[in-house]
Amino acid sequence: QQQVKQSPQSLIVQKGGISIINCAYENTAFDYFPWYQQFPGKGPALLIAIRPDVSEKKEGRFTISFNKSAKQFSLHIMDSQPGDSATYFCAASSRTSGTYKYIFGTGTRLKVLA
Amino acid sequence: GAGVSQSPSNKVTEKGKDVELRCDPISGHTALYWYRQSLGQGLEFLIYFQGNSAPDKSGLPSDRFSAERTGGSVSTLTIQRTQQEDSAVYLCASSSGVRGETQYFGPGTRLLVL
Repeated sequence: QQQVKQSPQSLIVQKGGISIINCAYENTAFDYFPWYQQFPGKGPALLIAIRPDVSEKKEGRFTISFNKSAKQFSLHIMDSQPGDSATYFCAASSRTSGTYKYIFGTGTRLKVLA
Repeated sequence: GAGVSQSPSNKVTEKGKDVELRCDPISGHTALYWYRQSLGQGLEFLIYFQGNSAPDKSGLPSDRFSAERTGGSVSTLTIQRTQQEDSAVYLCASSSGVRGETQYFGPGTRLLVL
């Protein structure tokens, strides 16, 4: 019940295309869903995050879509650029757990072709 | 201000040796987390600190792993009698104590046990 399932494992997109990464969870106590971007040799950096009281959040080219009833959320990268090539992790945490510890998905390696 | 820093950035050790990994969180952040990232895998929660206490140690994989935090700031993760399966990137993150869902990660310590 603590798992966050992420797909696809890897993704290749043409420059200018849309990259879509999906995550699903089981624990209905999760109430914070961040996406992190990680470049090789670097730590993860927060990209965008959403709480379950909204269905969508957009920041620049990055959008999170959230479906509470389906317990799914996804990251959309519009107009994908070669500089977006990185590994993306979804995560979930629960305020009720008292720790806010993240349960991470297994990551998606995105490659955007020039 | 400065982000989360970790040292050393890389550590090579021999099987059976003890290692200490250090994390300096963002100033003022009361919550501190340790995660482990194995090659090609997601991030695995190890331990959480609130101030100097560790209310959640549930992710520590064995009693060879321990961590402490002093002065509500610096934290040290110690691995005793290292094994080859301990080879991974150890990531530290910190967050504000006020609605601190957002975690800020350091660059990690890459540990290789020969």
